[in-house]
Amino acid sequence: EVQLLESGGGLVQPGEYLRLSCVASGFTISSYAMRWVRQAPGKGLEWVSTIGSGGGTYYADSVKGRFTISRDNSKNTLYLQMNSLRVDDTAVYYCAKGNGYYFEYWGQGTLVTVSS
Amino acid sequence: QSALTQPRSVSGSPGQSVTISCTGTSSDVGGYNYVSWYQQHPGKAPKFMIYDVSKRPSGVPDRFSGSKSGNTASLAISGLQAEDEADYYCCSYAGSYTWVFGTGTKVTVL
Repeated sequence: EVQLLESGGGLVQPGEYLRLSCVASGFTISSYAMRWVRQAPGKGLEWVSTIGSGGGTYYADSVKGRFTISRDNSKNTLYLQMNSLRVDDTAVYYCAKGNGYYFEYWGQGTLVTVSS
Repeated sequence: QSALTQPRSVSGSPGQSVTISCTGTSSDVGGYNYVSWYQQHPGKAPKFMIYDVSKRPSGVPDRFSGSKSGNTASLAISGLQAEDEADYYCCSYAGSYTWVFGTGTKVTVL
């Protein structure tokens, strides 16, 4: 059974940093594209970043240069390093297993709040 | 990338059919047959319902169907049931390994 469990969210001030983790089970993350999607409170979904099975990384313009996606294959864990956080980064962050061009499985999400 | 445009809400009585539109551009919806749809109940993670415009994964009832014409994709729900009440989001591949989601539609079962 595929499971994704995010952690690392919390309350930070603008300009600070945070690292999110997503532990996967039931499959090997290095064999699939893994993605981060966020949802601001009461708002819609927004694709944030992807790491391909080959290791290529891709980012939405809104986070490019501030966020870094990575994975540790030995721990079957996906990460999102978020630097220079802004108030509008406040959201629930979901990790998702990619399959082709869609988001096949989703974690339950972790809430990131950026506020002074 | 601008979000794909969906109606804010649609509603129907049990047993009826509803359709949700998802309008993009030739750079996303119109340019690729990679539209997917996601159902999200309040406080829950999204669940994928349709992929590659009209393909349905195992476990998703055949009451759900997807289609596309030009820059607009659609999700149809027939035989509406109480458990279908949720938010629905479309998503399209937009090239260069980027994706764009729709604005979301709240489906209400009257």
